[in-house]
Amino acid sequence: QKEVEQNSGPLSVPEGAIASLNCTYSDRVSQSFFWYRQYSGKSPELIMSIYSNGDKEDGRFTAQLNKASQYVSLLIRDSQPSDSATYLCAVTNTGTASKLTFGTGTRLQVTL
Amino acid sequence: KAGVTQTPRYLIKTRGQQVTLSCSPISGHRSVSWYQQTPGQGLQFLFEYFSETQRNKGNFPGRFSGRQFSNSRSEMNVSTLELGDSALYLCASSFGDQGLGYTFGSGTRLTVV
Repeated sequence: QKEVEQNSGPLSVPEGAIASLNCTYSDRVSQSFFWYRQYSGKSPELIMSIYSNGDKEDGRFTAQLNKASQYVSLLIRDSQPSDSATYLCAVTNTGTASKLTFGTGTRLQVTL
Repeated sequence: KAGVTQTPRYLIKTRGQQVTLSCSPISGHRSVSWYQQTPGQGLQFLFEYFSETQRNKGNFPGRFSGRQFSNSRSEMNVSTLELGDSALYLCASSFGDQGLGYTFGSGTRLTVV
């Protein structure tokens, strides 16, 4: 079982819709959770971090964490074509908090 | 404010050679991590340095090594290159507080022929 799992996609949503990206992780002691966006040919860019159960909102982005279900998600409201990218989920664990373990990413396509 | 700077951007090397990649972190950041990104394996952690000490290491062979200098700049070395080492090598920096997110550089694209 992979440590961090994501559906590779592509996830296709129409412009203006809500995109929902999901991530599950295997280690119950996972401590910190991050969403990175990576455009083709570019490096990952941090867009959200979440550390405790519940929702965290930043602009059009909402991260949701459920530690009991070992599940973290990212919602993108009012999706724009510029949101088309690969979204990477990453976690850190107690004792290795400086090591990010990444999922393989979900490719999001926002269509006109 | 300057971001994470990696040099060179592109590199072509021959099997068996060695290579050194450089990373300058964001000013004030003391933690530097290195990752390898390939289409098949995704982003994989190589190692992390904080105040010139390696704090964490990933599951890569000993041919991959790194170091950090007193000004927080870091270098990564790969010896006896193999074709499978062809990848995007990404450096990321952080203040070093446990659990905070990292900022990535643009990467060095290494091709081994």
